[in-house]
Amino acid sequence: AQSVAQPEDQVNVAEGNPLTVKCTYSVSGNPYLFWYVQYPNRGLQFLLKYITGDNLVKGSYGFEAEFNKSQTSFHLKKPSALVSDSALYFCAVRPRVESNYQLIWGAGTKLIIKP
Amino acid sequence: GAVVSQHPSWVICKSGTSVKIECRSLDFQATTMFWYRQFPKQSLMLMATSNEGSKATYEQGVEKDKFLINHASLTLSTLTVTSAHPEDSSFYICSASLQGAGDTQYFGPGTRLTVL
Repeated sequence: AQSVAQPEDQVNVAEGNPLTVKCTYSVSGNPYLFWYVQYPNRGLQFLLKYITGDNLVKGSYGFEAEFNKSQTSFHLKKPSALVSDSALYFCAVRPRVESNYQLIWGAGTKLIIKP
Repeated sequence: GAVVSQHPSWVICKSGTSVKIECRSLDFQATTMFWYRQFPKQSLMLMATSNEGSKATYEQGVEKDKFLINHASLTLSTLTVTSAHPEDSSFYICSASLQGAGDTQYFGPGTRLTVL
């Protein structure tokens, strides 16, 4: 079965330090890869996506993600964390061969940035 | 660009009543919209995929007669929770797909439904 794994339920980082939120996937082919962020009691906001090309993708709010084909990973990163980055982060994958545009979701990782 | 709105943002209703939630793509046309349900501290659960002008495709275990979906235009989809019960209380989120490479889904802000 196709799946997306976010191995950490929660990640704690001190403000100003670099952060990484991990995502690995088990999806056939070369899927599209996405990161979304959710603030409390809000919908999801699109951060970035990987379609093709450069393995390092830059997105909103200073976030970037690195695609690693051999490890089937798409880790989210930021060089210097802000307290306002504290939120719930979801990794999602869409198989290229599917035509219904559905996303396969990770369970989410709660990111806590401490002052 | 790519803004999706939802209305209402929250609603409280009595058991047995019906509630309609609207999802609109404000600045783009979305041939496909999605309805999700999210339980506290959990990921999103896809309920149905809605295509303009056709019947929605429901995920396994989702009652189509209880959760009525209408995708009347390229910018509007509605979800009606019929005869709501307390167990239907949840956070409902819609998304609209912007066609193009990757077909990014853009999400509405969500609707908090509480059934008393």
